[in-house]
Amino acid sequence: KQEVTQIPAALSVPEGENLVLNCSFTDSAIYNLQWFRQDPGKGLTSLLLIQSSQREQTSGRLNASLDKSSGRSTLYIAASQPGDSATYLCAGLSGSARQLTFGSGTQLTVLP
Amino acid sequence: GAVVSQHPSWVICKSGTSVKIECRSLDFQATTMFWYRQFPKQSLMLMATSNEGSKATYEQGVEKDKFLINHASLTLSTLTVTSAHPEDSSFYICSARDPASGANVLTFGAGSRLTVL
Repeated sequence: KQEVTQIPAALSVPEGENLVLNCSFTDSAIYNLQWFRQDPGKGLTSLLLIQSSQREQTSGRLNASLDKSSGRSTLYIAASQPGDSATYLCAGLSGSARQLTFGSGTQLTVLP
Repeated sequence: GAVVSQHPSWVICKSGTSVKIECRSLDFQATTMFWYRQFPKQSLMLMATSNEGSKATYEQGVEKDKFLINHASLTLSTLTVTSAHPEDSSFYICSARDPASGANVLTFGAGSRLTVL
């Protein structure tokens, strides 16, 4: 059964810093790995989706990488802004039912 | 793009009552929908997989008689929390697979926040 872990659970950085969020998964037979953003009390916003055949995806200041062999993914946020403050969730799609398994999230606070 | 709508977005009910949450795929047909539950400060946990025209598949530890799932059409799945209690208060989110986007892409609803008094 797929297990997804995110480290750190919480992170606080000053505005302008570059930062990395980590995600690890136990079953390397994933179809894809996705990063989401969740604001307090809100639903999910999909940020980046990396297919199993890809190594990374970029969108603006965000870059996500995937290393299936080591069971790891990272989300890199460049030049962080207070508006980036949110909880970031990673999720791996795997299994015959193609289910998404979520990590516990990293709560990011960017201080102005 | 694919859109999934959830209704209601929030609901408050008394203990012992039943609450129904709807998940609709607005511009595509979804043979499979997924229901998740998220407690405060925790991640999303898959509750069940809803299959159109057949019984839902529940994850271990999820009571199927308490969380009734009906997927009677290709655009609608409903989750009914029966005899709700305060411990059922949570954020419920559904997702659906749009075949046109490929088997590996899920679209999420905005979620429904249930508060049981």
